[in-house]
Amino acid sequence: NAGVTQTPKFQVLKTGQSMTLQCAQDMNHEYMSWYRQDPGMGLRLIHYSVGAGITDQGEVPNGYNVSRSTTEDFPLRLLSAAPSQTSVYFCASSYAGGKGGRGNSPLHFGNGTRLTVT
Amino acid sequence: SQQGEEDPQALSIQEGENATMNCSYKTSINNLQWYRQNSGRGLVHLILIRSNEREKHSGRLRVTLDTSKKSSSLLITASRAADTASYFCGRHGNNRLAFGKGNQVVVIP
Repeated sequence: NAGVTQTPKFQVLKTGQSMTLQCAQDMNHEYMSWYRQDPGMGLRLIHYSVGAGITDQGEVPNGYNVSRSTTEDFPLRLLSAAPSQTSVYFCASSYAGGKGGRGNSPLHFGNGTRLTVT
Repeated sequence: SQQGEEDPQALSIQEGENATMNCSYKTSINNLQWYRQNSGRGLVHLILIRSNEREKHSGRLRVTLDTSKKSSSLLITASRAADTASYFCGRHGNNRLAFGKGNQVVVIP
């Protein structure tokens, strides 16, 4: 199993450009999510999905779109990149349930995409 | 938001010593999860403790949860240089896992 795969590893964009960060998992996880990590801010949840066709906003969704057409893939789209979106982006997935109920399964993280917007 | 504070945020210890980190939260949780992050890589899961559990162990790791105080602690015993990393607690509730700012732990050989 490859686990959670994120591409690209690094990306430089100019302000106003758009791009899609890819995330794929091969563990048949129902739950997938995107976080951004900034120095001194920890990880903040951007969007998440509890299954194919279902997405919801996290803590910092503005400027990002997601879709979940398959169980395996959860791409994150930057519509018009801004310098404030310079960050490290992590995708993570898990089983939706677990012993004792929903959410009792740990997240599996990808290795991140380092994005710089100039 | 379920984010809280992690205390201390930076810790430097000698190899062989114990390291303790604390995490607090504000609203009710389903579970609390501890993760480790090395050098900007993805987080790696360490321990998950459910809201009806009080203590869990995994190797040299011990996690406690006090729901009355809305706090948790992670103890690493007999630390090693390889334990140098950032440690995050994630509070799970409402389909979300919310992380704090993390604790940086440096273990000096």
